[in-house]
Amino acid sequence: DARVTQTPRHKVTEMGQEVTMRCQPILGHNTVFWYRQTMMQGLELLAYFRNRAPLDDSGMPKDRFSAEMPDATLATLKIQPSEPRDSAVYFCASGLVVGGIYEQYFGPGTRLTVT
Amino acid sequence: SQKIEQNSEALNIQEGKTATLTCNYTNYSPAYLQWYRQDPGRGPVFLLLIRENEKEKRKERLKVTFDTTLKQSLFHITASQPADSATYLCALLEGTGRRALTFGSGTRLQVQP
Repeated sequence: DARVTQTPRHKVTEMGQEVTMRCQPILGHNTVFWYRQTMMQGLELLAYFRNRAPLDDSGMPKDRFSAEMPDATLATLKIQPSEPRDSAVYFCASGLVVGGIYEQYFGPGTRLTVT
Repeated sequence: SQKIEQNSEALNIQEGKTATLTCNYTNYSPAYLQWYRQDPGRGPVFLLLIRENEKEKRKERLKVTFDTTLKQSLFHITASQPADSATYLCALLEGTGRRALTFGSGTRLQVQP
């Protein structure tokens, strides 16, 4: 049963610290997404990759967030320095684009708390 | 500005009834629209996709309609069960431009036994 995995599941850190979240997409999927979910804003797209190349990161605060795909089995989202307003659940999702259409398969999320 | 609106108030219905959830959008020309289910503490799970040229799609007890004139999609669960209780999100993909889904904020459904 193929799944998207994310680590860590929970992270509590102090303001100013670096946070790295990791995602392993489903093998064979060519598109990877990073989302952030809060009660106020709902599910927001931060960035996404197609065949490991970044296609859109306009949803990300560029000064502190960065997203990469060092290889096809790993996507990372880094926040440096972290701030209390970054507290949220961060989801990774992967999908296979076929004819311009895809379903997204979400991971379980990383719940980040910045104090 | 672009908006996707789902009823933020929870929908409470009795087991066995049909649940109907609404997704309205403004200033989008979606190529297709998807519905997802999200349980507490979990990521969204894909349920159904409907294309702009389709009026209706069904899957078991689920039915989705898509009216591009009204700019609205309706999501129906027939013979609802307490296990259907969850938050349901609609998401759409623009026909041009940004090629990533934009999600609504979701509607929580509570099915009472």
